Amino acid sequence: ETGVTQTPRHLVMGMTNKKSLKCEQHLGHNAMYWYKQSAKKPLELMFVYNFKEQTENNSVPSRFSPECPNSSHLFLHLHTLQPEDSALYLCASSPGTSGIEADTQYFGPGTRLTVL
Amino acid sequence: RKEVEQDPGPFNVPEGATVAFNCTYSNSASQSFFWYRQDCRKEPKLLMSVYSSGNEDGRFTAQLNRASQYISLLIRDSKLSDSATYLCVVNTGNQFYFGTGTSLTVIP
Repeated sequence: ETGVTQTPRHLVMGMTNKKSLKCEQHLGHNAMYWYKQSAKKPLELMFVYNFKEQTENNSVPSRFSPECPNSSHLFLHLHTLQPEDSALYLCASSPGTSGIEADTQYFGPGTRLTVL
Repeated sequence: RKEVEQDPGPFNVPEGATVAFNCTYSNSASQSFFWYRQDCRKEPKLLMSVYSSGNEDGRFTAQLNRASQYISLLIRDSKLSDSATYLCVVNTGNQFYFGTGTSLTVIP
């Protein structure tokens, strides 16, 4: 299934590095999301974009910087991360963010990030 | 209090068994409810939505009890391929909240 793609699939970076995660959806959806999944914890919503506008920033540290140039693409720029930021970062999309349009989210395969 | 609580398991059941997972949510204004399935090292995928009237999809039955703020998933005649983590998900209208997931292993 290639509805939502993410690159890279794996990333190892040092605390002083700058890297970016990319997400692309081919479903014609208007809403895109970044989630963080750490071991033994529930998925944590980080950011929500609807029609390219950020509608949710769930108290995420500024070392994570999202960018949404259009409804199909979403980036997560990473800078001076900490080892505790190591996790699976999942991108998702849905038709919209309210009502039935938000009801089904389609996830990408995720980027497994390790911060050394 | 967590928005969504699930028993993490693990549940280890023999093939053909019936297994039930439960989930509770804290926000009484929650609007829609789902079960997602996540295979090891893969992304979550929607298994089924959950309605107050209950809904069934083959061997899977989901129930919602709004009064008790409780969601369940019943899997009948378990298959080896059912082995996965099952995530309870609640949409409050503002945000999706995920449970930590319940791990199921079906044993031959």
